[in-house]
Amino acid sequence: AQSVTQLGSHVSVSEGALVLLRCNYSSSVPPYLFWYVQYPNQGLQLLLKYTSAATLVKGINGFEAEFKKSETSFHLTKPSAHMSDAAEYFCAVKSGGYQKVTFGTGTKLQVIP
Amino acid sequence: GAGVSQTPSNKVTEKGKYVELRCDPISGHTALYWYRQSLGQGPEFLIYFQGTGAADDSGLPNDRFFAVRPEGSVSTLKIQRTERGDSAVYLCASSPQDQGGHGYTFGSGTRLTVV
Repeated sequence: AQSVTQLGSHVSVSEGALVLLRCNYSSSVPPYLFWYVQYPNQGLQLLLKYTSAATLVKGINGFEAEFKKSETSFHLTKPSAHMSDAAEYFCAVKSGGYQKVTFGTGTKLQVIP
Repeated sequence: GAGVSQTPSNKVTEKGKYVELRCDPISGHTALYWYRQSLGQGPEFLIYFQGTGAADDSGLPNDRFFAVRPEGSVSTLKIQRTERGDSAVYLCASSPQDQGGHGYTFGSGTRLTVV
């Protein structure tokens, strides 16, 4: 079975502060891991993905995530939050034997001016 | 097309009615996925197609839900005898193939409201 757990359904940060959104995964085989972003009334957009190459993955809009096998984590970070980063973020996993992606419950990011 | 297109964007229907939701994937993408997203939740897998065949329909909640992709491109999700609990945003996604670490490209979704 495969699953992801996102800690914190809501996260608030000040503009310019570090963004840290947490994700832990469960997979019986080496996984592919993804972060998606969803802006209000829009579909999901792929931010970045880990596919067993470099453990530190850089994505769009200045976001990056680090795959840590020992911690089964794939936390999303951005050094300095912008107002435009306010959205909902979903972590997702795909394991070798599964052809579908399983999503977490999401974390809503609020950026305070 | 340039992206994944879903129609209609909004659908309001009465309880007990039949609805069809359409998805037009990116040209050349062989894998197509349907997800359902309820308020405050992450996308929940329903079914996926590799080509014309349903490779995994384990997420369909019951036999009122059915999906087809007869020519390996456009897909239709069909819901019979709709119930208020079916109200959600139905998302469609496509990817070049189902193997490997390909991310999905999502459509904007169809918001279904059953009254």
